Amino acid sequence: EPEVTQTPSHQVTQMGQEVILRCVPISNHLYFYWYRQILGQKVEFLVSFYNNEISEKSEIFDDQFSVERPDGSNFTLKIRSTKLEDSAMYFCASQNRVGYGYTFGSGTRLTVV
Amino acid sequence: SQQGEEDPQALSIQEGENATMNCSYKTSINNLQWYRQNSGRGLVHLILIRSNEREKHSGRLRVTLDTSKKSSSLLITASRAADTASYFCATDAWGAQKLVFGQGTRLTINP
Repeated sequence: EPEVTQTPSHQVTQMGQEVILRCVPISNHLYFYWYRQILGQKVEFLVSFYNNEISEKSEIFDDQFSVERPDGSNFTLKIRSTKLEDSAMYFCASQNRVGYGYTFGSGTRLTVV
Repeated sequence: SQQGEEDPQALSIQEGENATMNCSYKTSINNLQWYRQNSGRGLVHLILIRSNEREKHSGRLRVTLDTSKKSSSLLITASRAADTASYFCATDAWGAQKLVFGQGTRLTINP
């Protein structure tokens, strides 16, 4: 069964450093998403991406965050200057059609120290 | 917010029993989806029910949707130890390209 692949599985970074989280969505999917889950809390929407543009973003997704689909297969989330409160599990997801189920990756656990 | 509550927050039952989890939401939806998350792992899509559907089955899973009450339930029949996980409902609203998740129910199946 096709999978969404995320790398790395765990990243530790110093506060103020830039991080890039990488995702390879399912190849024929058109809609891409990032969500995050702070430990013990619910999953929160960050951003949706379609046709090489951001479709929707949440209040969490401020100027410190950006997304890119640089080469038609990877989908990245960049955090420019990490804060302690950015520590969370970050999930990438892709979707073939709007209104259908999502396929999530296994997540990247980001720890900011 | 779009999402309401899930209950119970935690549920512990014996293997073989049925488990029922409930979800409420606040806005009009296109569909409602249920996901499972094993501890520290990714989200696995279980089942999707559309706003014009009232009940859906998939194996041991049964989902109901009551749009008049803005609520859904997930029933897992004949539970197994491997069903131990957190279960989340997520709503997909009309015109919104995102899912809004509930707080989840932590289900423990005791052998």
